[in-house]
Amino acid sequence: KAGVTQTPRYLIKTRGQQVTLSCSPISGHRSVSWYQQTPGQGLQFLFEYFSETQRNKGNFPGRFSGRQFSNSRSEMNVSTLELGDSALYLCASSISGYDNEQFFGPGTRLTVL
Amino acid sequence: AQKITQTQPGMFVQEKEAVTLDCTYDTSDQSYGLFWYKQPSSGEMIFLIYQGSYDEQNATEGRYSLNFQKARKSANLVISASQLGDSAMYFCAMRGGTSYGKLTFGQGTILTVHP
Repeated sequence: KAGVTQTPRYLIKTRGQQVTLSCSPISGHRSVSWYQQTPGQGLQFLFEYFSETQRNKGNFPGRFSGRQFSNSRSEMNVSTLELGDSALYLCASSISGYDNEQFFGPGTRLTVL
Repeated sequence: AQKITQTQPGMFVQEKEAVTLDCTYDTSDQSYGLFWYKQPSSGEMIFLIYQGSYDEQNATEGRYSLNFQKARKSANLVISASQLGDSAMYFCAMRGGTSYGKLTFGQGTILTVHP
């Protein structure tokens, strides 16, 4: 069974640009969560999608958005990039979002110059 | 709201010895789940073990066990027979009763295993 995949793995952008990250969950998993990891703030929850609906949202500005497709694949978008958006973005999948296991992808490392 | 505290920024252990990584939590939820993850330098988060708040027995997965003390709100990870490959960052996390898909993480503990 394939694990959670994220593309791209590395990304370099400049301030003011926008970026789209993709996450494909484990087959059969319908919940996809996104996290931002930085040295200063640690791991912070961005949002969670289940069956194409956002069910849960963290405390991030509106520049951070996401969506989920009917095949459970999810994308997150960050508009008007700031230097502070440089981080490792991790997505995780689970069957329902309320499971004993939540599996993470390898992450996308975003650098904003 | 949930809060996870990991008070050990770094820990050192000799190969083949056991080590305990501390985790305390705070929540007003009656039902919740506690997780431990390992993050090697590559960045990927590897799921290790889970404990539900209503589970009466401590969870075990191979060399990993979770020492769950509900009254003290602690969920310490015990790694037995440490191996060099165990050197990594370890995160304790929890999911609250209605927090679908949301894990709240602690700051992590860097474990270094010496030969």
